Amino acid sequence: KAGVTQTPRYLIKTRGQQVTLSCSPISGHRSVSWYQQTPGQGLQFLFEYFSETQRNKGNFPGRFSGRQFSNSRSEMNVSTLELGDSALYLCASSLEGDDGYTFGSGTRLTVV
Amino acid sequence: GQQLNQSPQSMFIQEGEDVSMNCTSSSIFNTWLWYKQEPGEGPVLLIALYKAGELTSNGRLTAQFGITRKDSFLNISASIPSDVGIYFCAGLLYNTNAGKSTFGDGTTLTVKP
Repeated sequence: KAGVTQTPRYLIKTRGQQVTLSCSPISGHRSVSWYQQTPGQGLQFLFEYFSETQRNKGNFPGRFSGRQFSNSRSEMNVSTLELGDSALYLCASSLEGDDGYTFGSGTRLTVV
Repeated sequence: GQQLNQSPQSMFIQEGEDVSMNCTSSSIFNTWLWYKQEPGEGPVLLIALYKAGELTSNGRLTAQFGITRKDSFLNISASIPSDVGIYFCAGLLYNTNAGKSTFGDGTTLTVKP
């Protein structure tokens, strides 16, 4: 079966812009989580969506937001980009959110 | 908040050697997960542990869920060059934090042929 698909793979934006990243989970998976990965901070949890509702949220500013559609696909948005937002953004899906997640390959965002 | 201490931070070993890494936490978890990440890719799930004391194997990999629910270890036997990568532990407390895994900082493994 198809894995978790993230688009785009690479993105370059300038400070102040906003960006939307997309994630298509494995068919049948209803839980989608987003993580930010940087060399200095490791994998940091952003938020988790289940059945179109945000169920958990990490400690990120309000510039980071997300949503989930009825087909479980998810998007995350970052507004007013800062240089420090440069990172690998990973999406992961699971059936219910209480077991091991399958990660996508990530979107590498560079803010210049 | 929950934090995981993963050690060692890096390992340089000879092909054929065994490897051991572990994670400890001040908080309990319902689930312990071990992932491997290679350059340019997302983490891949290696082993999932759901019960305190559980010992699970996946080929040359063996992981255990500590009795206290605050620690876990991963062993790799007879390492080979393709074992190279970053290994992450992750804890999940799904009762209150479904979908929210806390990750360790990773163990970078280098295997010399």
